Amino acid sequence: AQKITQTQPGMFVQEKEAVTLDCTYDTSDQSYGLFWYKQPSSGEMIFLIYQGSYDEQNATEGRYSLNFQKARKSANLVISASQLGDSAMYFCAMRPLIGDKIIFGKGTRLHILP
Amino acid sequence: GAVVSQHPSWVICKSGTSVKIECRSLDFQATTMFWYRQFPKQSLMLMATSNEGSKATYEQGVEKDKFLINHASLTLSTLTVTSAHPEDSSFYICSARATGNPVSSKNIQYFGAGTRLSVL
Repeated sequence: AQKITQTQPGMFVQEKEAVTLDCTYDTSDQSYGLFWYKQPSSGEMIFLIYQGSYDEQNATEGRYSLNFQKARKSANLVISASQLGDSAMYFCAMRPLIGDKIIFGKGTRLHILP
Repeated sequence: GAVVSQHPSWVICKSGTSVKIECRSLDFQATTMFWYRQFPKQSLMLMATSNEGSKATYEQGVEKDKFLINHASLTLSTLTVTSAHPEDSSFYICSARATGNPVSSKNIQYFGAGTRLSVL
């Protein structure tokens, strides 16, 4: 069965520091996609970054980067130079090659301290 | 990124009434849209997959007669909560996948802002 695990229910980080949000996944598929979404208190789900299982390089999008370690089945999100506006819930998600369903982790609530 | 509009953002209704929630893809066509439900401090739970021009596919345990889904065009899907009861109070959020090569794990789902439903 496919599963996403986020072991950090909550994190507190000082502003301007880098932060790593952990995500491990379980799948028997050879090809899949990994996603991170941000959900602020307003409720919307904001797409942050994508990593394909066959991508050789780690994905980066501005201050976001994905530390993809395929052998360990981990896809940690790294936010550099955190900002107060980064305070939100962060969800790691996985999508198989075939099919549309996305499997979400339980999320990590990130608090950025001034 | 692509924009998905969801309306209304907040609705309060009396028990027994029906509520319709709209999900629109504004700048792309979406053959497939998804409806999720999210309880406080929990993750998203997929309720159903909505396909343009065909019946929705419901997840196990989701009552299709209670949560009616209509995907009448490539840019609009609606979720109707029929005869709503207080236990239906929740945050409902839709997402849309752009039409394109389905054989790609990068088909990103873009989400609406969600609808908070409160049934009195």
